[in-house]
Amino acid sequence: EVVMTQSPATLSVSPGERATLSCRASQSVTTNLAWYQQKPGQAPRLLIYGASTRATGIPARFSGIGSGTEFTLTIGGLQSEDFAVYYCQQYNDWPTFGGGTEVEIK
Amino acid sequence: QVQLVESGGGLVKPGGSLRLSCAASGFTFSDYYMSWIRQAPGKGLQWVSDISSSGKYTNLADSVKGRFTISRDNAKNSLYLQMNSLRAEDTAVYYCAREYSSSSEAADHWGQGTLVTVSS
Repeated sequence: EVVMTQSPATLSVSPGERATLSCRASQSVTTNLAWYQQKPGQAPRLLIYGASTRATGIPARFSGIGSGTEFTLTIGGLQSEDFAVYYCQQYNDWPTFGGGTEVEIK
Repeated sequence: QVQLVESGGGLVKPGGSLRLSCAASGFTFSDYYMSWIRQAPGKGLQWVSDISSSGKYTNLADSVKGRFTISRDNAKNSLYLQMNSLRAEDTAVYYCAREYSSSSEAADHWGQGTLVTVSS
């Protein structure tokens, strides 16, 4: 099983600032990597797939980069609706998720 | 618009069974792979099972192999998860999700989930 490790577990950011979230795979997943956003009481929402392609309707302030084992999600100019938990997921092998990064208001 | 609505969750005793259903609308159901993904209370996400668009191919997580079965009825636009020999560790919200392409298990649409509680 491919183990996905996200860091940090919690990220405190002020509105308007940039947030940078990391995700590391225990073995190469090429670019078979997705990012999701989840708010309390809601289902996850797909943000990014293919490591860097924004899903339909996702604002341009969300961007993803990486390949192999190291990936980054950047949220530029955090808005109030962006405070949530973010998960990465690899689908190069049987799909597995990272443990999540909570982006909280500083 | 795409809608996925799960049903069938509830409280069940260890060793019991439940059948989850997911009603799909707003897209051509028979064109898409579908998945079940679960989330234990306060925990992260776990991919449970998926099924090809025709229903011919299925995959299950090791933790549920031999106990869970995924199926679909394309004529009824419905996805199912039969869960047998349930354990306390199966307690979770179960989400039905659409995979955005046949070559990618990235889930682009999710239902709101149905809660399964396994407890005596």
